[in-house]
Amino acid sequence: KQEVTQIPAALSVPEGENLVLNCSFTDSAIYNLQWFRQDPGKGLTSLLLIQSSQREQTSGRLNASLDKSSGRSTLYIAASQPGDSATYLCAVRQPGTYKYIFGTGTRLKVLA
Amino acid sequence: NAGVTQTPKFRVLKTGQSMTLLCAQDMNHEYMYWYRQDPGMGLRLIHYSVGEGTTAKGEVPDGYNVSRLKKQNFLLGLESAAPSQTSVYFCASIGYVGEAFFGQGTRLTVV
Repeated sequence: KQEVTQIPAALSVPEGENLVLNCSFTDSAIYNLQWFRQDPGKGLTSLLLIQSSQREQTSGRLNASLDKSSGRSTLYIAASQPGDSATYLCAVRQPGTYKYIFGTGTRLKVLA
Repeated sequence: NAGVTQTPKFRVLKTGQSMTLLCAQDMNHEYMYWYRQDPGMGLRLIHYSVGEGTTAKGEVPDGYNVSRLKKQNFLLGLESAAPSQTSVYFCASIGYVGEAFFGQGTRLTVV
């Protein structure tokens, strides 16, 4: 059974710092992996989608990498800003299924 | 472009009451999902649909029913609400390259 883990559960950093969020999954046979952002009381917004054949995806200050063999993905945020404060979740989809399995998220706070 | 819209946004139910949550998407997506989000437990899949007229059980389907009579709508029903169903419910649809689009959520309290 696929399990997705995100460590740490919470992170507090000063503004301007580069940071890395981690996502681990137990079954390396995945179809894709997606990173989301969730603001308090809001829905999830897709940040980056990495297909199984890809190693990384970039959007602005965000870069997500995927290492299937080790069951890991990282979300790199460059030059963090207070507006980046939110909960970040990763989710994996396995081949032959239509289900996404979510991690419990990392709650990020960027201090001004 | 509305994306995924959930109705209602908030609701308080008494134990034993029934209700239906509506999810509507205007992106012509085939796949639609209902999740619940609880503190410390993340998002758990309740039911999903891979197309009009089809539904399937997810991880935590007990106490819920769903219907997908029209491609753009996915309904989640609670026949007899219980306090354990107090949660935030999210609907999502999946695009053609796999990107997920979520609604803003329905905060349900069962007293």
